[in-house]
Amino acid sequence: KAGVTQTPRYLIKTRGQQVTLSCSPISGHRSVSWYQQTPGQGLQFLFEYFSETQRNKGNFPGRFSGRQFSNSRSEMNVSTLELGDSALYLCASSLLGFTNTGELFFGEGSRLTVL
Amino acid sequence: AQSVTQLGSHVSVSEGALVLLRCNYSSSVPPYLFWYVQYPNQGLQLLLKYTSAATLVKGINGFEAEFKKSETSFHLTKPSAHMSDAAEYFCAVTYGNQFYFGTGTSLTVIP
Repeated sequence: KAGVTQTPRYLIKTRGQQVTLSCSPISGHRSVSWYQQTPGQGLQFLFEYFSETQRNKGNFPGRFSGRQFSNSRSEMNVSTLELGDSALYLCASSLLGFTNTGELFFGEGSRLTVL
Repeated sequence: AQSVTQLGSHVSVSEGALVLLRCNYSSSVPPYLFWYVQYPNQGLQLLLKYTSAATLVKGINGFEAEFKKSETSFHLTKPSAHMSDAAEYFCAVTYGNQFYFGTGTSLTVIP
């Protein structure tokens, strides 16, 4: 079956702009989580959505937001972009979320460059 | 706070040599532990997971990891490195509804 699909794969923005990233999970998976990956900070958890509800949130400012639709597709938005937001943003889906299985299936990521 | 520590951000081994990537966790209760691998320009792929069924866990591509509660460790090993093993490896742990990743270890395999 199809894996996790993230779009766009690459994008360049300038400071102050906003960006929206999209993630389509594996069919049947109800949990979508987002991560920011940078060389200095590694993988940091942004938030998790389950059945259209934000269930968990990491320690990121309010400029980072997300949502999940009824078909489980998710979007994340970053407003007022800063240079430090340049990163690889990874989306992961799982059947039940951060429960006993804990198995996450990752997309290839969206690489954001902020100039 | 719960955390995962990976010792050594870069590890180099010769082809055919033992691979040992270290991971220690901090937890007051046994967690669920995972190793993920990331190849260049790709997302993360699950290598193996520990869910308390057995302390020695076998994963894909010949990797295995042993859960040692007394040492709070979950080190990843492979008896013989292959060139295709060159990648970034992440140890991860779940506590409740949070997923924590280590900072990663980049594995280089020298021919």
